[in-house]
Amino acid sequence: KAGVTQTPRYLIKTRGQQVTLSCSPISGHRSVSWYQQTPGQGLQFLFEYFSETQRNKGNFPGRFSGRQFSNSRSEMNVSTLELGDSALYLCASSFRQERFYEQYFGPGTRLTVT
Amino acid sequence: LAKTTQPISMDSYEGQEVNITCSHNNIATNDYITWYQQFPSQGPRFIIQGYKTKVTNEVASLFIPADRKSSTLSLPRVSLSDTAVYYCLVGDPWYSSASKIIFGSGTRLSIRP
Repeated sequence: KAGVTQTPRYLIKTRGQQVTLSCSPISGHRSVSWYQQTPGQGLQFLFEYFSETQRNKGNFPGRFSGRQFSNSRSEMNVSTLELGDSALYLCASSFRQERFYEQYFGPGTRLTVT
Repeated sequence: LAKTTQPISMDSYEGQEVNITCSHNNIATNDYITWYQQFPSQGPRFIIQGYKTKVTNEVASLFIPADRKSSTLSLPRVSLSDTAVYYCLVGDPWYSSASKIIFGSGTRLSIRP
């Protein structure tokens, strides 16, 4: 069974631009979560989706948004990029919305903002 | 949510058994212990999950004493490829929100030849 895929794997943007990251969960998984990982803050929760509904959002500004499609694929968008948005963005999927402790992560998208 | 404490870093040598201990004094009755492994620039990988006593899979063993206030991840005969950060998470696996999952700083394991 194919794992979680994320595209693109690497991205370089300049301040003020916007970016869209994509995540395809494992087939059959309906729950998708997004995380931001930086050396200073570690892994921080961004959002979680289940059946196209955002269930929770982490403590991030409104510039960070996301959505989930009917096929469970998910996208996240960051508008008006800032230098501090440089990070590894990780997507994770799980079979059921309750099984968040057994998540399967993708390889991540490395975003660099210059 | 149960707070976890694990060593910041550990060193070992190839072929040795490595044990990483995690303390979780305020673990709740419904909480499970879950361990993840993360290589640089990759997403964390689920390793093992357990509730009590001992759980073993093809990757590791997890030992949980009767009081469940700590747990030990055991990696048999480590190799250089086991160099990674290991996270201990404690919580109810049936909890309805990923927003409650806290990965913490993890234990940075370095394996030497």
